[in-house]
Amino acid sequence: DADVTQTPRNRITKTGKRIMLECSQTKGHDRMYWYRQDPGLGLRLIYYSFDVKDINKGEISDGYSVSRQAQAKFSLSLESAIPNQTALYFCATSESGQNYNEQFFGPGTRLTVL
Amino acid sequence: GNSVTQMEGPVTLSEEAFLTINCTYTATGYPSLFWYVQYPGEGLQLLLKATKADDKGSNKGFEATYRKETTSFHLEKGSVQVSDSAVYFCALQSGGSYIPTFGRGTSLIVHP
Repeated sequence: DADVTQTPRNRITKTGKRIMLECSQTKGHDRMYWYRQDPGLGLRLIYYSFDVKDINKGEISDGYSVSRQAQAKFSLSLESAIPNQTALYFCATSESGQNYNEQFFGPGTRLTVL
Repeated sequence: GNSVTQMEGPVTLSEEAFLTINCTYTATGYPSLFWYVQYPGEGLQLLLKATKADDKGSNKGFEATYRKETTSFHLEKGSVQVSDSAVYFCALQSGGSYIPTFGRGTSLIVHP
């Protein structure tokens, strides 16, 4: 079984709808992250959480919110989706404490907002 | 602030050709450096890393050396295969926030 899972894998929705993307991990890591990937722009950080009670904005948090329900679960919400939020979304985890700890990524959610 | 600059792609090669993907960085302190690979339809996965100057990371025939004097971490492979076709991301993490900074990615296409 995958260590970092994301649901759904694909989602098509309409402008103005509320969408939730979910991420679960079995790696036991404290740190979790949400990124979006757009062609030519690489990965951009939306939100990150260093433990259950810690939530931090990344570089592009406007229009998004998150919830850290447990150590293993980190959800991303789009309160009112708009077409320029069409992208590939990745959840990632890492161990805490050292700058040499790599990130472990989920398979991604492809979101299309019409 | 921290930044990572990668050569733009796509890089198109024939099988068994030599590969270099350039990566340079700007960072405070002494960052760790990473290469991640993203195969079609998948998430990113760590390819290799180096945590201090002059370290060489290697995996699956790929290598990269942490060059502090030139602030570079170029990815190389002596003989690429079709299965190496993917997007490659250079990244760094420095002490303090431990939030990674990614380059924009370089697409590699290998033809038989």
